[in-house]
Amino acid sequence: QKEVEQNSGPLSVPEGAIASLNCTYSDRVSQSFFWYRQYSGKSPELIMSIYSNGDKEDGRFTAQLNKASQYVSLLIRDSQPSDSATYLCAPRGDNNDMRFGAGTRLTVKP
Amino acid sequence: DGGITQSPKYLFRKEGQNVTLSCEQNLNHDAMYWYRQDPGQGLRLIYYSQIVNDFQKGDIAEGYSVSREKKESFPLTVTSAQKNPTAFYLCASSVRNRETQYFGPGTRLLVL
Repeated sequence: QKEVEQNSGPLSVPEGAIASLNCTYSDRVSQSFFWYRQYSGKSPELIMSIYSNGDKEDGRFTAQLNKASQYVSLLIRDSQPSDSATYLCAPRGDNNDMRFGAGTRLTVKP
Repeated sequence: DGGITQSPKYLFRKEGQNVTLSCEQNLNHDAMYWYRQDPGQGLRLIYYSQIVNDFQKGDIAEGYSVSREKKESFPLTVTSAQKNPTAFYLCASSVRNRETQYFGPGTRLLVL
């Protein structure tokens, strides 16, 4: 079992729709969770971090965390073509190791 | 301008050659990291350093070496022992080892 699992996609949504990106992780002691966006050929950039169970909203982005289910998700509302990228999920464990998933490729069609 | 710089953007390595990738940050961050990214895969940790003159191996350290003589610099050497070096190399830094990591623009290494 991979430590961090994400659906590789591609996930295709129409402009204006909600994109839902999911991530499961195996390390039960993971305490903090990060979502990064990576455009093709570029380096990852931080979108959001979440530390507590529940939802955290930042503009069009909402991160959802359920530690009991070892599940974290990212919702993108009113998706724009500029949101087309690969989204990386990265839980950080108690030993401070940050583990990255392979990412979900999102395409937003105009 | 504050940030993390990596050079060169592209690097070509010949068989049996050691090459060094540069990473510099002016964010006054304590911790620095090197990752490798292969197509369709997540980032894998090569080495990290929490303070000057100290560094630890990550998951795939074999064939690589690093130094941390200055807080702002964390160069990575890809040695001839690394038999499959073609990848996208990313340097990151954080305030401390428990904080959010920020990435440089990356270096793409290709083998001739």
